[in-house]
Amino acid sequence: AQTVTQSQPEMSVQEAETVTLSCTYDTSESDYYLFWYKQPPSRQMILVIRQEAYKQQNATENRFSVNFQKAAKSFSLKISDSQLGDAAMYFCAYRSFSGANSKLTFGKGITLSVRP
Amino acid sequence: NAGVMQNPRHLVRRRGQEARLRCSPMKGHSHVYWYRQLPEEGLKFMVYLQKENIIDESGMPKERFSAEFPKEGPSILRIQQVVRGDSAAYFCASSPSRGGDNEQFFGPGTRLTVL
Repeated sequence: AQTVTQSQPEMSVQEAETVTLSCTYDTSESDYYLFWYKQPPSRQMILVIRQEAYKQQNATENRFSVNFQKAAKSFSLKISDSQLGDAAMYFCAYRSFSGANSKLTFGKGITLSVRP
Repeated sequence: NAGVMQNPRHLVRRRGQEARLRCSPMKGHSHVYWYRQLPEEGLKFMVYLQKENIIDESGMPKERFSAEFPKEGPSILRIQQVVRGDSAAYFCASSPSRGGDNEQFFGPGTRLTVL
């Protein structure tokens, strides 16, 4: 079974600064997807960024980028030029590449606060 | 194109009552997933359904919980004889097909409170 671990429960960043959120996972599969989701106080789950394990290039989406280290099973999220609207819970998630196992496995999440 | 809809958004039940949570997937999506989020926790997978079929129910408690996704109408997650430990946010997600490149789109969730 796959597991996702987010060991930092909380982090804080100054507005306009950069912050990195950590995530590790465990799997015996070679092909899979990794995701970062944002959950603001409204509780709506918003997909931030996605990485396919077979791609060596790290995914980027505007101010959001990942550092994917497949051998180390590490998948961290970097938020550049942090904004007040980035304050939320962030969840790392894993999904198998196989269509037979489509469920998402989430970490416990990290609460990010942004200081003005 | 409306997103995934869930209702009710908030549901209060007394112990022993039944809770019915509804999920209408995005138009064109025939795959539905239910997840539960306990306070201060991440989302935990419960069940995966395709129209009229349960594909994977490995995360759903064996007793009191059931789910369906009929040919017509929304998917329903049903909790019988609710207990305080069922208090949580229940999220539904939908996708157009199974696995692969398909993203799961989440609804806003139903927050169940058991008194």
